[in-house]
Amino acid sequence: DAKTTQPNSMESNEEEPVHLPCNHSTISGTDYIHWYRQLPSQGPEYVIHGLTSNVNNRMASLAIAEDRKSSTLILHRATLRDAAVYYCILSTRTGANNLFFGTGTRLTVIP
Amino acid sequence: NAGVTQTPKFRVLKTGQSMTLLCAQDMNHEYMYWYRQDPGMGLRLIHYSVGEGTTAKGEVPDGYNVSRLKKQNFLLGLESAAPSQTSVYFCASRVQGARYYGYTFGSGTRLTVV
Repeated sequence: DAKTTQPNSMESNEEEPVHLPCNHSTISGTDYIHWYRQLPSQGPEYVIHGLTSNVNNRMASLAIAEDRKSSTLILHRATLRDAAVYYCILSTRTGANNLFFGTGTRLTVIP
Repeated sequence: NAGVTQTPKFRVLKTGQSMTLLCAQDMNHEYMYWYRQDPGMGLRLIHYSVGEGTTAKGEVPDGYNVSRLKKQNFLLGLESAAPSQTSVYFCASRVQGARYYGYTFGSGTRLTVV
């Protein structure tokens, strides 16, 4: 399965934008890029996904590089509630078992 | 609007005891999953199910059994608990079909085996 590489941790000031990077140099043409986040003492929560084009939803934006070898999750205004571990995951398989978690990026939001 | 509900939320077991973790979803999802998460690590898949009456092994299935007798429920059993099974267990479900469908997770069961 294609791997992703994320920084272990990042910090952001409250109310500032946050750009969380993810490298996936071995991505194939049909792999979707998913982002989940896990708040403290909670289960993971779906954030956003994309294939080739940039995507926006109420939670975040996903910017995908033209060669698809990297992507960036953008939180437009970080709040304290956004402090979480963010996982960048490639869904590389068809079928039911297609979500493989790495260790993600721990985002700390500074008041 | 419950989504995925896990019971119990916390449990302490003695080595060798057995227990069953229950996962219930009210979204009519075909696929259901059990994961475990150890400190500082990502989630690892234990078992999953693609529909009522079906189960399949994931990455770390040893020491666990599962059953999916009803579409909305997915049970995870520990027949003889070991300290190595101390972990946080998460259940998830999703719609059948395309790989871009998102997963919905429960809030977890924290299990300690002493």
